[in-house]
Amino acid sequence: DAGVTQSPTHLIKTRGQQVTLRCSPKSGHDTVSWYQQALGQGPQFIFQYYEEEERQRGNFPDRFSGHQFPNYSSELNVNALLLGDSALYLCASSLNDNQPQHFGDGTRLSIL
Amino acid sequence: GENVEQHPSTLSVQEGDSAVIKCTYSDSASNYFPWYKQELGKRPQLIIDIRSNVGEKKDQRIAVTLNKTAKHFSLHITETQPEDSAVYFCAASISGYSTLTFGKGTMLLVSP
Repeated sequence: DAGVTQSPTHLIKTRGQQVTLRCSPKSGHDTVSWYQQALGQGPQFIFQYYEEEERQRGNFPDRFSGHQFPNYSSELNVNALLLGDSALYLCASSLNDNQPQHFGDGTRLSIL
Repeated sequence: GENVEQHPSTLSVQEGDSAVIKCTYSDSASNYFPWYKQELGKRPQLIIDIRSNVGEKKDQRIAVTLNKTAKHFSLHITETQPEDSAVYFCAASISGYSTLTFGKGTMLLVSP
Protein backbone atom coordinates (compact mmCIF):
# COMPACT_ATOMS: atom_id res chain seq x y z
CA ASP A 1 0.00 0.00 0.00
CA ALA A 2 1.71 3.17 -1.21
CA GLY A 3 1.91 6.04 1.22
CA VAL A 4 1.87 9.71 0.31
CA THR A 5 4.13 10.36 -2.65
CA GLN A 6 5.45 13.72 -3.83
CA SER A 7 7.29 14.84 -6.94
CA PRO A 8 9.80 16.08 -7.71
CA THR A 9 12.07 15.46 -4.71
CA HIS A 10 14.26 18.46 -5.43
CA LEU A 11 13.78 21.54 -7.58
CA ILE A 12 15.86 24.62 -8.31
CA LYS A 13 14.23 27.78 -9.66
CA THR A 14 15.12 31.43 -10.02
CA ARG A 15 13.30 34.45 -8.67
CA GLY A 16 10.16 35.37 -10.58
CA GLN A 17 9.60 31.92 -12.00
CA GLN A 18 6.60 29.69 -11.35
CA VAL A 19 6.62 26.16 -9.94
CA THR A 20 4.19 23.25 -9.66
CA LEU A 21 4.59 20.54 -7.04
CA ARG A 22 2.61 17.30 -7.08
CA CYS A 23 1.20 14.99 -4.44
CA SER A 24 -0.54 11.62 -4.53
CA PRO A 25 -2.36 10.82 -1.29
CA LYS A 26 -2.21 7.54 0.55
CA SER A 27 -4.61 4.98 -0.89
CA GLY A 28 -8.12 5.53 0.48
CA HIS A 29 -7.47 9.12 1.54
CA ASP A 30 -9.46 12.00 0.07
CA THR A 31 -8.15 15.07 1.91
CA VAL A 32 -4.83 16.71 1.05
CA SER A 33 -3.07 19.42 3.01
CA TRP A 34 0.08 21.33 2.06
CA TYR A 35 2.71 22.70 4.42
CA GLN A 36 5.83 24.84 3.99
CA GLN A 37 8.79 23.97 6.24
CA ALA A 38 11.62 26.50 6.24
CA LEU A 39 15.02 25.32 7.45
CA GLY A 40 15.05 24.88 11.20
CA GLN A 41 11.34 25.64 11.58
CA GLY A 42 8.15 23.71 12.04
CA PRO A 43 5.81 23.13 9.09
CA GLN A 44 3.38 25.96 8.32
CA PHE A 45 -0.10 25.15 7.01
CA ILE A 46 -0.71 26.50 3.50
CA PHE A 47 -4.12 25.07 2.56
CA GLN A 48 -6.29 21.97 2.49
CA TYR A 49 -8.23 20.41 -0.37
CA TYR A 50 -11.29 18.19 -0.14
CA GLU A 51 -13.72 17.24 -2.91
CA GLU A 52 -11.64 19.32 -5.35
CA GLU A 53 -12.23 22.50 -3.36
CA GLU A 54 -9.96 24.54 -1.11
CA ARG A 55 -11.53 23.96 2.28
CA GLN A 56 -9.18 25.87 4.57
CA ARG A 57 -6.28 28.23 4.04
CA GLY A 58 -3.41 29.44 6.19
CA ASN A 59 -1.71 32.81 6.14
CA PHE A 60 -0.12 32.60 2.70
CA PRO A 61 -0.41 35.10 -0.19
CA ASP A 62 -2.41 34.48 -3.34
CA ARG A 63 0.82 33.55 -5.13
CA PHE A 64 0.23 30.15 -3.55
CA SER A 65 -2.59 28.25 -5.21
CA GLY A 66 -3.60 24.66 -5.55
CA HIS A 67 -5.79 22.13 -7.19
CA GLN A 68 -7.22 18.74 -6.40
CA PHE A 69 -8.13 16.25 -9.11
CA PRO A 70 -10.97 13.69 -9.14
CA ASN A 71 -8.49 10.95 -8.17
CA TYR A 72 -7.68 13.04 -5.03
CA SER A 73 -4.14 13.89 -6.15
CA SER A 74 -3.17 17.51 -5.71
CA GLU A 75 -0.89 20.22 -7.05
CA LEU A 76 0.63 23.22 -5.33
CA ASN A 77 1.46 26.18 -7.58
CA VAL A 78 3.63 29.10 -6.57
CA ASN A 79 3.93 32.14 -8.84
CA ALA A 80 6.49 34.95 -8.87
CA LEU A 81 8.93 32.99 -6.72
CA LEU A 82 10.85 34.85 -4.02
CA LEU A 83 14.07 33.85 -2.28
CA GLY A 84 12.00 33.35 0.88
CA ASP A 85 9.99 30.61 -0.82
CA SER A 86 12.99 28.29 -0.49
CA ALA A 87 11.77 25.51 1.78
CA LEU A 88 10.67 21.91 2.07
CA TYR A 89 7.08 21.58 0.87
CA LEU A 90 5.21 18.78 2.56
CA CYS A 91 1.99 17.16 1.48
CA ALA A 92 -0.18 15.24 3.94
CA SER A 93 -3.34 13.21 3.43
CA SER A 94 -6.17 11.84 5.53
CA LEU A 95 -9.70 10.51 5.19
CA ASN A 96 -12.04 13.51 5.31
CA ASP A 97 -9.95 15.04 8.08
CA ASN A 98 -11.38 12.44 10.48
CA GLN A 99 -8.09 10.77 11.31
CA PRO A 100 -4.45 11.75 11.77
CA GLN A 101 -2.74 12.72 8.57
CA HIS A 102 0.19 11.00 6.88
CA PHE A 103 3.02 13.08 5.43
CA GLY A 104 5.00 12.59 2.26
CA ASP A 105 8.77 13.01 2.04
CA GLY A 106 8.41 16.51 0.63
CA THR A 107 9.82 18.52 -2.24
CA ARG A 108 12.93 20.58 -1.50
CA LEU A 109 12.56 23.87 -3.42
CA SER A 110 15.58 26.13 -3.77
CA ILE A 111 15.27 29.62 -5.23
CA LEU A 112 18.39 31.25 -6.66
CA GLY B 1 -4.87 32.61 15.00
CA GLU B 2 -3.34 29.83 17.03
CA ASN B 3 0.27 30.16 18.28
CA VAL B 4 2.29 27.23 19.62
CA GLU B 5 5.47 27.73 21.63
CA GLN B 6 7.85 24.80 22.17
CA HIS B 7 10.71 24.39 24.63
CA PRO B 8 13.55 23.60 24.77
CA SER B 9 14.95 24.07 21.28
CA THR B 10 17.65 21.47 21.95
CA LEU B 11 17.84 18.72 24.55
CA SER B 12 20.80 16.45 25.21
CA VAL B 13 20.40 13.37 27.41
CA GLN B 14 22.30 10.19 28.17
CA GLU B 15 20.93 6.89 26.99
CA GLY B 16 18.45 5.55 29.53
CA ASP B 17 17.50 8.99 30.86
CA SER B 18 14.05 10.54 30.45
CA ALA B 19 13.33 13.48 28.16
CA VAL B 20 10.52 16.02 28.48
CA ILE B 21 9.48 18.53 25.83
CA LYS B 22 6.89 21.18 26.62
CA CYS B 23 4.49 23.18 24.46
CA THR B 24 1.98 25.92 25.12
CA TYR B 25 -0.86 27.02 22.88
CA SER B 26 -2.85 30.23 22.71
CA ASP B 27 -6.32 29.32 21.45
CA SER B 28 -8.51 27.62 24.04
CA ALA B 29 -10.64 26.20 21.18
CA SER B 30 -7.79 23.88 20.13
CA ASN B 31 -8.84 20.29 20.67
CA TYR B 32 -6.26 18.05 19.00
CA PHE B 33 -2.57 17.86 19.92
CA PRO B 34 -0.23 15.55 17.97
CA TRP B 35 3.51 15.04 18.32
CA TYR B 36 5.68 14.34 15.28
CA LYS B 37 9.21 12.96 15.03
CA GLN B 38 11.31 14.07 12.07
CA GLU B 39 14.65 12.47 11.36
CA LEU B 40 17.11 14.33 9.16
CA GLY B 41 15.90 14.44 5.58
CA LYS B 42 12.79 12.40 6.32
CA ARG B 43 9.08 13.00 6.61
CA PRO B 44 7.42 13.94 9.91
CA GLN B 45 5.98 10.84 11.55
CA LEU B 46 3.17 10.87 14.08
CA ILE B 47 4.35 9.28 17.33
CA ILE B 48 1.45 10.06 19.67
CA ASP B 49 -1.55 12.36 19.84
CA ILE B 50 -4.18 13.43 22.35
CA ARG B 51 -7.58 15.04 22.17
CA SER B 52 -8.80 17.69 24.56
CA ASN B 53 -11.17 15.36 26.41
CA VAL B 54 -8.23 13.27 27.65
CA GLY B 55 -5.58 14.30 30.18
CA GLU B 56 -2.90 11.71 29.50
CA LYS B 57 -2.05 9.06 26.95
CA LYS B 58 0.73 6.46 26.93
CA ASP B 59 2.26 4.26 24.28
CA GLN B 60 5.13 2.14 25.59
CA ARG B 61 8.02 4.56 26.36
CA ILE B 62 6.14 7.64 25.16
CA ALA B 63 3.46 9.61 26.97
CA VAL B 64 1.70 12.91 26.42
CA THR B 65 -0.02 15.00 29.09
CA LEU B 66 -2.46 17.85 28.52
CA ASN B 67 -3.45 20.65 30.88
CA LYS B 68 -6.34 22.50 29.24
CA THR B 69 -6.61 25.08 31.98
CA ALA B 70 -3.00 26.13 31.59
CA LYS B 71 -3.06 25.50 27.83
CA HIS B 72 0.04 23.39 27.78
CA PHE B 73 0.95 19.85 26.83
CA SER B 74 4.12 17.81 27.19
CA LEU B 75 5.86 14.84 25.61
CA HIS B 76 7.62 12.40 27.93
CA ILE B 77 10.08 9.81 26.64
CA THR B 78 11.43 7.30 29.15
CA GLU B 79 14.48 5.04 28.82
CA THR B 80 15.77 7.03 25.85
CA GLN B 81 17.76 5.27 23.16
CA PRO B 82 20.15 6.66 20.51
CA GLU B 83 17.52 6.00 17.84
CA ASP B 84 15.24 8.48 19.61
CA SER B 85 17.58 11.23 18.39
CA ALA B 86 15.58 13.45 16.02
CA VAL B 87 13.64 16.70 15.88
CA TYR B 88 10.30 16.55 17.67
CA PHE B 89 7.42 18.88 16.83
CA CYS B 90 4.29 19.55 18.80
CA ALA B 91 1.19 20.86 17.06
CA ALA B 92 -2.34 21.98 17.78
CA SER B 93 -5.53 22.08 15.76
CA ILE B 94 -8.78 23.96 16.30
CA SER B 95 -10.69 21.88 13.77
CA GLY B 96 -10.06 18.40 12.49
CA TYR B 97 -6.74 16.64 12.30
CA SER B 98 -5.12 18.43 9.39
CA THR B 99 -5.02 22.19 9.89
CA LEU B 100 -2.15 22.03 12.32
CA THR B 101 -0.15 24.84 13.87
CA PHE B 102 3.32 23.52 14.69
CA GLY B 103 5.88 24.53 17.27
CA LYS B 104 9.42 25.31 16.12
CA GLY B 105 10.75 21.93 17.13
CA THR B 106 13.11 20.38 19.68
CA MET B 107 16.30 18.65 18.61
CA LEU B 108 16.75 15.68 20.93
CA LEU B 109 20.24 14.17 21.11
CA VAL B 110 20.63 10.87 22.98
CA SER B 111 24.23 9.95 23.69
CA PRO B 112 25.22 6.28 24.15
